[in-house]
Amino acid sequence: ETGVTQTPRHLVMGMTNKKSLKCEQHLGHNAMYWYKQSAKKPLELMFVYSLEERVENNSVPSRFSPECPNSSHLFLHLHTLQPEDSALYLCASSQDNWETQYFGPGTRLLVL
Amino acid sequence: GQQLNQSPQSMFIQEGEDVSMNCTSSSIFNTWLWYKQDPGEGPVLLIALYKAGELTSNGRLTAQFGITRKDSFLNISASIPSDVGIYFCAGQNTGNQFYFGTGTSLTVIP
Repeated sequence: ETGVTQTPRHLVMGMTNKKSLKCEQHLGHNAMYWYKQSAKKPLELMFVYSLEERVENNSVPSRFSPECPNSSHLFLHLHTLQPEDSALYLCASSQDNWETQYFGPGTRLLVL
Repeated sequence: GQQLNQSPQSMFIQEGEDVSMNCTSSSIFNTWLWYKQDPGEGPVLLIALYKAGELTSNGRLTAQFGITRKDSFLNISASIPSDVGIYFCAGQNTGNQFYFGTGTSLTVIP
């Protein structure tokens, strides 16, 4: 299934680095999401974009900065992260806002 | 706030056995979804339920939308080794917010 792709699949970065995660959906969906998945915890919704406009920001620290240049692409820009930000970052898309979501494979992030 | 309670947290079963897991919420949901996540991968949608009482199958998987609209069940019949993974429930409430359970880790012993 290649409906939602994410790159890179793995990323190791220092606390002073700047990096970006990329998500692309090939499903013709209008809404895209970023989630954080930590061990033993439910998925945490970070951002929601609908038709390229941010419709939700779930009290995410400013060191995470999303960008949605068009309805098929979503980025998550990272800077000055903390070790506790290490997690699996999942992108998802849905036909419209808050409809059934389809996930990408995730980016496993390790912050040293 | 709302929480999804998923149980059991983990299961160890013999190949060929049937599996049951459930998810409950503190409030009414309009949609229930079941996902499976393999190690190092993202969740894959297995079954979506949109109506109270609905019973839907996907191969050996069967899921039900509870009639109270506060719970959902997933059954796997005749388990096989490739069923190993973490199964997540997700629910959408009347305010269109999605919530996810903490997952049930399934191990199938050949």
